[in-house]
Amino acid sequence: GENVEQHPSTLSVQEGDSAVIKCTYSDSASNYFPWYKQELGKRPQLIIDIRSNVGEKKDQRIAVTLNKTAKHFSLHITETQPEDSAVYFCAASIGGGSYIPTFGRGTSLIVHP
Amino acid sequence: KAGVTQTPRYLIKTRGQQVTLSCSPISGHRSVSWYQQTPGQGLQFLFEYFSETQRNKGNFPGRFSGRQFSNSRSEMNVSTLELGDSALYLCASSLKGQQETQYFGPGTRLLVL
Repeated sequence: GENVEQHPSTLSVQEGDSAVIKCTYSDSASNYFPWYKQELGKRPQLIIDIRSNVGEKKDQRIAVTLNKTAKHFSLHITETQPEDSAVYFCAASIGGGSYIPTFGRGTSLIVHP
Repeated sequence: KAGVTQTPRYLIKTRGQQVTLSCSPISGHRSVSWYQQTPGQGLQFLFEYFSETQRNKGNFPGRFSGRQFSNSRSEMNVSTLELGDSALYLCASSLKGQQETQYFGPGTRLLVL
């Protein structure tokens, strides 16, 4: 089955810096890659997603890039703010009428003011 | 619209017992997915229901089962509880479930003693 590796497990940055979280996947049939943010004690929330027919997607300070050949995708957060502090999860899933996501282990992002 | 709700929010059971968790999706959403979240294994997909039918299933033993009612509300049942079943159980709903935005509930925290 699909295997998703996520790095780093912890990321500490200063406010205003950029943060990059990387995920690799094993199944070349995966074609949908969402990213979730989970603040402490709260539910996960989708922050951005990308499909395999797109190489990059941006939403304000957040961007995701996908390299299908290398089977990896990354989350980029620019101008980080303390409220960006949370655990971020990547996921990969195969399409074709099903949605069985495999998640990365999560990255704890800490933004120091 | 009201968000996804889950009941109960907290539950304590003993080994060997069974438990039923409930999830009410956002009005109009027909897909409900269930996830198990633990510190050791991260976020893992259990199963997805759509129009009262289990459409997708993750890699969990048969002790984990679910169902969906005609109003899209879903229940998850775990029989013969084991210590390792202690986790946060999250459900998420979406319109059709196929690789689209999923909205998570607050979760049910289950402790098995």
